[in-house]
Amino acid sequence: AQTVTQSQPEMSVQEAETVTLSCTYDTSESDYYLFWYKQPPSRQMILVIRQEAYKQQNATENRFSVNFQKAAKSFSLKISDSQLGDAAMYFCAYRSSEGQEKLTFGTGTRLTIIP
Amino acid sequence: ETGVTQTPRHLVMGMTNKKSLKCEQHLGHNAMYWYKQSAKKPLELMFVYSLEERVENNSVPSRFSPECPNSSHLFLHLHTLQPEDSALYLCASSQDPRGHEKLFFGSGTQLSVL
Repeated sequence: AQTVTQSQPEMSVQEAETVTLSCTYDTSESDYYLFWYKQPPSRQMILVIRQEAYKQQNATENRFSVNFQKAAKSFSLKISDSQLGDAAMYFCAYRSSEGQEKLTFGTGTRLTIIP
Repeated sequence: ETGVTQTPRHLVMGMTNKKSLKCEQHLGHNAMYWYKQSAKKPLELMFVYSLEERVENNSVPSRFSPECPNSSHLFLHLHTLQPEDSALYLCASSQDPRGHEKLFFGSGTQLSVL
């Protein structure tokens, strides 16, 4: 069974600085999808970024980028130029490519932005 | 706003009550999901519906009963719950459960069982 581990329950960063949230996962599959979701105080989970395991290039979405290390089974999220609106819980998630609907989530990292 | 609406936003119920959670999606999606979010635990998938048919039931106790009358609406009927069932219940939808498309979540119902 796949597992997703987020070892940082809480992180904080100064506004305008860069922060990296870590995520590791365990799987025996070679093809899969990885996601970072953001859950602000409104509680609505929003997809931040998505990575396909067969793509070597790291995904990027504006100020958000990932460092995908397939051999190490690591999928960290880098947030550049942090803004107050980035304050939220961030969840890393894994999904098999073999037709399973199920997303496996980590326990989340609470990110605080210091003005 | 992601196009997925959940009501009520908060719910307090006793262990002998019967209540229902409602989810509605305005996105034309074919798949809908119920997730349970407990403090300091990963999100747990409870149920998946694809084109109104239940395709996954993740060993959820029978005191939780889902209903999907059409592709836009999803309910979670609750009865004789336990205090450990207190959690945030999130509904989500996607275009296709096998298409690996992103999930769109609602804001959840915060449930407290007394």
